[in-house]
Amino acid sequence: RKEVEQDPGPFNVPEGATVAFNCTYSNSASQSFFWYRQDCRKEPKLLMSVYSSGNEDGRFTAQLNRASQYISLLIRDSKLSDSATYLCVVTLMKTSYDKVIFGPGTSLSVIP
Amino acid sequence: DAGVTQSPTHLIKTRGQQVTLRCSPKSGHDTVSWYQQALGQGPQFIFQYYEEEERQRGNFPDRFSGHQFPNYSSELNVNALLLGDSALYLCASSTGQGAYEQYFGPGTRLTVT
Repeated sequence: RKEVEQDPGPFNVPEGATVAFNCTYSNSASQSFFWYRQDCRKEPKLLMSVYSSGNEDGRFTAQLNRASQYISLLIRDSKLSDSATYLCVVTLMKTSYDKVIFGPGTSLSVIP
Repeated sequence: DAGVTQSPTHLIKTRGQQVTLRCSPKSGHDTVSWYQQALGQGPQFIFQYYEEEERQRGNFPDRFSGHQFPNYSSELNVNALLLGDSALYLCASSTGQGAYEQYFGPGTRLTVT
């Protein structure tokens, strides 16, 4: 089983739609969780951290379920500019450093 | 405040050759991580440098090696290139030994023919 798995996608949604992505992780000792966004042929950029209590940033809401070992990202009122690949990132605390694991990404296309 | 920079942006090499990629971290950052991203895949961790030492390494062969300089910049070297090494190579910088907020450079696109 892969350490971090994501919805395979691609997701094609109309403008204004609400879309949700899921990500599961295999190691229950995972400590920190993030969503990154990567535009086509560009570098990944941090979208938001994911906290146990859940967190919201404008149209974006991230949730963490430690018991089920998954995180989610909800995008409301989708915009054309939201079209990108969304990468789930999980970190594991090792003795003296953090191990960072990226998921394979889920592609989103928002259609006019 | 300059972000993470990488050079070159694109590179074409032949099988068996060697390549060196360079990265300058964001100002104030002392940790550099390197990732390989194949088309349609998420970034795969290669290794991380902190205080001029390799602190952790992913599942990559010894053909992949690196270095960090006193000014925190870093190099990634790949020997005996294979066709499968064709990918986008990303450098990410952060502070300390944690990787809570990594800032990525634009990447170097390597094509091996």
